Amino acid sequence: DAGVTQSPTHLIKTRGQQVTLRCSPISGHKSVSWYQQVLGQGPQFIFQYYEKEERGRGNFPDRFSARQFPNYSSELNVNALLLGDSALYLCASSPQAGAIHEQYFGPGTRLTVT
Amino acid sequence: AQSVAQPEDQVNVAEGNPLTVKCTYSVSGNPYLFWYVQYPNRGLQFLLKYITGDNLVKGSYGFEAEFNKSQTSFHLKKPSALVSDSALYFCAVTQGDSSYKLIFGSGTRLLVRP
Repeated sequence: DAGVTQSPTHLIKTRGQQVTLRCSPISGHKSVSWYQQVLGQGPQFIFQYYEKEERGRGNFPDRFSARQFPNYSSELNVNALLLGDSALYLCASSPQAGAIHEQYFGPGTRLTVT
Repeated sequence: AQSVAQPEDQVNVAEGNPLTVKCTYSVSGNPYLFWYVQYPNRGLQFLLKYITGDNLVKGSYGFEAEFNKSQTSFHLKKPSALVSDSALYFCAVTQGDSSYKLIFGSGTRLLVRP
């Protein structure tokens, strides 16, 4: 079975630009979460979506937004990029909503902002 | 506020020896605790979790963890380390079955030498 897939693998953007990252969950999983992992740190929770609705949001500015589609795939959008947005962005899926369920992580998208 | 501390940036152990990776947490109410492992260029993989019940939790690849409520700790252990266990290990916590946020520690790099 295919695991969680993310695209693109790598991305280089300039400050002020906008970026869209994509995630396809494991088949049958209805929950998608997004995390930001800055080099040398643990992942930080950004969003969780379940059944196309936002169920949780971390301490990130409004420049960060996301959505989930009817097929349960998801996009993370970041506007007005800052140098500090450079990180590995991880997507995780699980069958149900809530952080107590095992999260299946994708390989991530590495975003570099110059 | 919920938080997780992994006091060791790196743990070095010889193959065949027991290993311990430490984790302490701070959360109001009942904690739900997790260990994830991250191999180079790959997403995080779930190892084990504590929800309730037996304080000793067994997980994947021969790992186990012991929940200690009085010490607010959830240390990861393995009786006999393998070189292939070398990776980055993350402890994580969430609070309550309605929480959507998984809080990760900063990670501990485990290096198993032959």
